Amino acid sequence: EAQVTQNPRYLITVTGKKLTVTCSQNMNHEYMSWYRQDPGLGLRQIYYSMNVEVTDKGDVPEGYKVSRKEKRNFPLILESPSPNQTSLYFCASRSIGMSTDTQYFGPGTRLTVL
Amino acid sequence: QKEVEQDPGPLSVPEGAIVSLNCTYSNSAFQYFMWYRQYSRKGPELLMYTYSSGNKEDGRFTAQVDKSSKYISLFIRDSQPSDSATYLCAMSETSGGYQKVTFGTGTKLQVIP
Repeated sequence: EAQVTQNPRYLITVTGKKLTVTCSQNMNHEYMSWYRQDPGLGLRQIYYSMNVEVTDKGDVPEGYKVSRKEKRNFPLILESPSPNQTSLYFCASRSIGMSTDTQYFGPGTRLTVL
Repeated sequence: QKEVEQDPGPLSVPEGAIVSLNCTYSNSAFQYFMWYRQYSRKGPELLMYTYSSGNKEDGRFTAQVDKSSKYISLFIRDSQPSDSATYLCAMSETSGGYQKVTFGTGTKLQVIP
């Protein structure tokens, strides 16, 4: 079954305590991305990766880091979380062919930073 | 001004109605347009995608793009209660899609049985 998994699904943490949200896909997709979703602001792209070792900033990259050492994994790192990073986070993977576009989103990670 | 504007709704319609969901955008470089459906407490799922102006149909769904007006629409025919969800438009500057993606804020749709 095609799947994007995220862990943890829920996390409450405190300001400044480094955390990592993992994302893994089993479809061998080249393209992966992280988004945050906030009420009234919709989905905003944080970072995206076009393949292993290739990453680029989205609209809201400040305060986040990513790495893509393997094709299947794309972790999101918050080195020093702050309360304004409280949000719902989604990881997504994608593959684009000649006339196809296949995308899958993970189930989301709800992060609260106190 | 946001690059992509979308009416948040909520939009309530009776079962069987034709639903029209719309987005406007300001970046004339956008070439690739997508619509997603998001059920409560779930991740978005891709419904439709199109590179060009005009209409694209898939079952009860029709995506329409008017680049001259910077306006895109999603029509849902014979709407069902199972269509109740938030609908998000999204777009990017290249037809390849391997680029930054900008989303609208989403329109919440409720289909009343």
